[in-house]
Amino acid sequence: NAGVTQTPKFRILKIGQSMTLQCTQDMNHNYMYWYRQDPGMGLKLIYYSVGAGITDKGEVPNGYNVSRSTTEDFPLRLELAAPSQTSVYFCASSYSGVKQDSFNQPQHFGDGTRLSIL
Amino acid sequence: GQQLNQSPQSMFIQEGEDVSMNCTSSSIFNTWLWYKQDPGEGPVLLIALYKAGELTSNGRLTAQFGITRKDSFLNISASIPSDVGIYFCAGLYNFNKFYFGSGTKLNVKP
Repeated sequence: NAGVTQTPKFRILKIGQSMTLQCTQDMNHNYMYWYRQDPGMGLKLIYYSVGAGITDKGEVPNGYNVSRSTTEDFPLRLELAAPSQTSVYFCASSYSGVKQDSFNQPQHFGDGTRLSIL
Repeated sequence: GQQLNQSPQSMFIQEGEDVSMNCTSSSIFNTWLWYKQDPGEGPVLLIALYKAGELTSNGRLTAQFGITRKDSFLNISASIPSDVGIYFCAGLYNFNKFYFGSGTKLNVKP
């Protein structure tokens, strides 16, 4: 079972470069999320999406953009990489519940993308 | 954002000992989740709690949703070396966003 797949696993960027972190899920989940995890810290929500064509900001959205053209894919874009964006990025997805509006369903995580900006 | 205070930050225990960790907040949360993260991997769900006062077990793990809805704890009984990892709590705030604690790093000596 693939679950949530993130690519690449590792990447080093120079300041000012741009890149897209890919995330795809095969569980037909409506909800998808991007988090960042800094060393010794918990996860902080960057952006989330409740379905194709719908995205919204999380706790720390500055410097990032997302799009959701399909149910399966939720890419995260860094336009002008900065050292403060060095982190581990996790994508997650969840079922929207029987009533199709429940955020309380557990999130399934990918294995992360380790990004260093030098 | 909401603050979840998770403690302890780290623990060093002997194999076979019981472990307890908790998360507290000044805000009310609607759902509590407990995750385990192994090095180089994403968090994996251990237990989900949906009602105040709920006590749920998963093998040697037991977690409770605090009656005030502002806290939750996780207990691991008879620890084994494969319990090593970082444990995170996550609370659902306002029914639409999860906030994560900073993690408890567990080390188990064989």
